[in-house]
Amino acid sequence: AQRVTQPEKLLSVFKGAPVELKCNYSYSGSPELFWYVQYSRQRLQLLLRHISRESIKGFTADLNKGETSFHLKKPFAQEEDSAMYYCALSSTGNQFYFGTGTSLTVIP
Amino acid sequence: DAGVTQSPTHLIKTRGQQVTLRCSPISGHKSVSWYQQVLGQGPQFIFQYYEKEERGRGNFPDRFSARQFPNYSSELNVNALLLGDSALYLCASSTTGQGVNYGYTFGSGTRLTVV
Repeated sequence: AQRVTQPEKLLSVFKGAPVELKCNYSYSGSPELFWYVQYSRQRLQLLLRHISRESIKGFTADLNKGETSFHLKKPFAQEEDSAMYYCALSSTGNQFYFGTGTSLTVIP
Repeated sequence: DAGVTQSPTHLIKTRGQQVTLRCSPISGHKSVSWYQQVLGQGPQFIFQYYEKEERGRGNFPDRFSARQFPNYSSELNVNALLLGDSALYLCASSTTGQGVNYGYTFGSGTRLTVV
């Protein structure tokens, strides 16, 4: 069965410090992994997806199949990065399995 | 261009009642999916509809049902409401049935409170 684990419910970092939001998944096949973000009072929106190998707003994420992880990283956190972050997996292409989310606070 | 719109934004119902939530997808999107987000949890998949047919169903009881209309809008119905049905219900639309990589866009949700 598909499962996404985000071990940290809350994460606080200082502005300018590196940030890493952890995501581990369980799935026997080749999943597609995504990061979604929800800023305060805004709707859930796509941040990045592993197949695109892109960097959005300075964030990157590498799929590590050996460790079944898809951690989200940014070298220098900004105050505007404060938000709720969800890791999501899709196996069939028509639905997501979401983790429980990590609330990131960037301290000025 | 309007995004995914959901109505109502907030709703309070009594245990045992029935509720209908509505979703209008982005123009040109033919697939609508429904998710339930309980406080403190990530969204959980309920249904997907594509071209008016059910294409996926999550692990929810039969009290939950949905349909999609010819204009691709959708309704989610929940019967015999329980306190545990209190949640934010999200709708997402996409261009295709395999839409997670094709403009999958979420609405702002309907906050349902069951008392």
